[in-house]
Amino acid sequence: AQKITQTQPGMFVQEKEAVTLDCTYDTSDPSYGLFWYKQPSSGEMIFLIYQGSYDQQNATEGRYSLNFQKARKSANLVISASQLGDSAMYFCAMREVISSGSARQLTFGSGTQLTVLP
Amino acid sequence: NAGVTQTPKFRVLKTGQSMTLLCAQDMNHEYMYWYRQDPGMGLRLIHYSVGEGTTAKGEVPDGYNVSRLKKQNFLLGLESAAPSQTSVYFCASSYSTSGGFYEQYFGPGTRLTVT
Repeated sequence: AQKITQTQPGMFVQEKEAVTLDCTYDTSDPSYGLFWYKQPSSGEMIFLIYQGSYDQQNATEGRYSLNFQKARKSANLVISASQLGDSAMYFCAMREVISSGSARQLTFGSGTQLTVLP
Repeated sequence: NAGVTQTPKFRVLKTGQSMTLLCAQDMNHEYMYWYRQDPGMGLRLIHYSVGEGTTAKGEVPDGYNVSRLKKQNFLLGLESAAPSQTSVYFCASSYSTSGGFYEQYFGPGTRLTVT
């Protein structure tokens, strides 16, 4: 079963508007973390924002915020005031314990390609 | 600080050839990881290491071997390359943690094509 589901393969947004990228997850680990990474066309992975499972408040980092709904197991990324430079692939990832040891691994969703229109 | 670097950036192999990808980090991180990214998919963990001299299998380890002889280096080997190993390979590193926030820092990736 998919542990991280991103149901939007592609999204378009007008410059300066807000956009929400969806992410749902599945885990039985009570202690987990949720990450969003940005991958521009140049290929590097850029960390955007993190939400811990015990965090009471939604995470925010500048124009990025994470809409964390624990009961629904969703961790949507909200980008406010979109810019042309936001055009990229966005990955949701979950940190969970690797069964064979104490290391935490990141499990990635399949990504959402965001295009910001001028 | 260079962060996480990967060598080489691009490589083309013929089926059956072998090669080693090098990952180096200068952040004194305990944990290091190798991922592969295939078109239309997120990253999948191949192998990881929780410290010098230790390695373990991730989600897709078949056809790969790794070594962590020095804390700052993590090597990924392909003994007999297959077309199915055509992918972009990312190395990452992080601090060790028993919980809480930790960020994985990624290298720029290596694009490998096996013909």
